[in-house]
Amino acid sequence: AAGVIQSPRHLIKEKRETATLKCYPIPRHDTVYWYQQGPGQDPQFLISFYEKMQSDKGSIPDRFSAQQFSDYHSELNMSSLELGDSALYFCASSLTRGSYEQYFGPGTRLTVT
Amino acid sequence: ELKVEQNPLFLSMQEGKNYTIYCNYSTTSDRLYWYRQDPGKSLESLFVLLSNGAVKQEGRLMASLDTKARLSTLHITAAVHDLSATYFCAVDWDSNYQLIWGAGTKLIIKP
Repeated sequence: AAGVIQSPRHLIKEKRETATLKCYPIPRHDTVYWYQQGPGQDPQFLISFYEKMQSDKGSIPDRFSAQQFSDYHSELNMSSLELGDSALYFCASSLTRGSYEQYFGPGTRLTVT
Repeated sequence: ELKVEQNPLFLSMQEGKNYTIYCNYSTTSDRLYWYRQDPGKSLESLFVLLSNGAVKQEGRLMASLDTKARLSTLHITAAVHDLSATYFCAVDWDSNYQLIWGAGTKLIIKP
């Protein structure tokens, strides 16, 4: 069965650079969620999209932005990167908003040096 | 504000033993999730508990939900080494579909 795809899987950036993370949801899923997980921490919800519109917003810094495109894939854009942004970034998708099961992608490990 | 508390945060146990991980949450929610995470890996859905009294079992793991007590438990029976991982519980609100996570329980099972 198709799963959530994230790219890249690993990314190394320097401070003040920008990064773009991509997420391709499971086919027919119209809702995408982004989470950030620091080392040894629980995942923190960043933002979600439903039918290409932002639906919920969590602890996403102003330096970050995201969008969902017409093919339902989503991109998380991160600017002015800081050392503290180093983390695993997970994307999850669900069949629709309100569908209770979220399926997680493999994650993108971002390292900021 | 919804808070989710897990305990213990760290658990080291011998193979063959039984143990329980607890997950308390602070406000009304009818949906509780248990996930497993291996180091550096993604989050694997174990159980979704949707109603008061729900009980689900998969292999040596059994999860239950008491919405009145705002408590879920994950019970491990006759633990084996392969169950070593970090286990997270998470809760969402009816009107807000973001998951709020517990801090995770790091489980180490020694042969």
